[in-house]
Amino acid sequence: EPEVTQTPSHQVTQMGQEVILRCVPISNHLYFYWYRQILGQKVEFLVSFYNNEISEKSEIFDDQFSVERPDGSNFTLKIRSTKLEDSAMYFCASSGTGGNGGYTFGSGTRLTVV
Amino acid sequence: RKEVEQDPGPFNVPEGATVAFNCTYSNSASQSFFWYRQDCRKEPKLLMSVYSSGNEDGRFTAQLNRASQYISLLIRDSKLSDSATYLCVVIVGGSTLGRLYFGRGTQLTVWP
Repeated sequence: EPEVTQTPSHQVTQMGQEVILRCVPISNHLYFYWYRQILGQKVEFLVSFYNNEISEKSEIFDDQFSVERPDGSNFTLKIRSTKLEDSAMYFCASSGTGGNGGYTFGSGTRLTVV
Repeated sequence: RKEVEQDPGPFNVPEGATVAFNCTYSNSASQSFFWYRQDCRKEPKLLMSVYSSGNEDGRFTAQLNRASQYISLLIRDSKLSDSATYLCVVIVGGSTLGRLYFGRGTQLTVWP
């Protein structure tokens, strides 16, 4: 079964540092998403991306966040200056049809900001 | 505003039991509905979509009541492997690529 691959699985960073979370979506998918889940809380939408541009973003996705599809396979989330409250599990997801909710999620990157 | 609300549980049931989870959503423009399953520290995985007419997938039955803005999931003949957190998820109309709104989840533990 096709998978969404995320790296690294766990990243520890110091407050104020920049981090890049990487995702390889399913190869024939065109719609990409980032979600996050703070420990013990619900999964929250960050951003959706299609055709090399952001389609929608949440209020969480402020100026410190950016996304990029630098080549034909990777989809990255950059956090410019990490804060303690950015500590969370970050999930990438992709979809072949967009909008129908049948996403495939990656196994996540656990980001710990110290 | 909490778009999706669920009873957090936990629900602790013996193998073979029938268990039901409920969920309410606040936005009447919600147009698509799902149950996802999340194992501890893992990614959410789609369990089933929920249709207005209700739908069944093996031991799992989902129901949607648009008038009451209420979604349910019934699990029959519970297995140990059903132990997980069940997430109620909606898509609100107008979201181009289907932004998912998740509930906090209902935790289920099935014991032998």
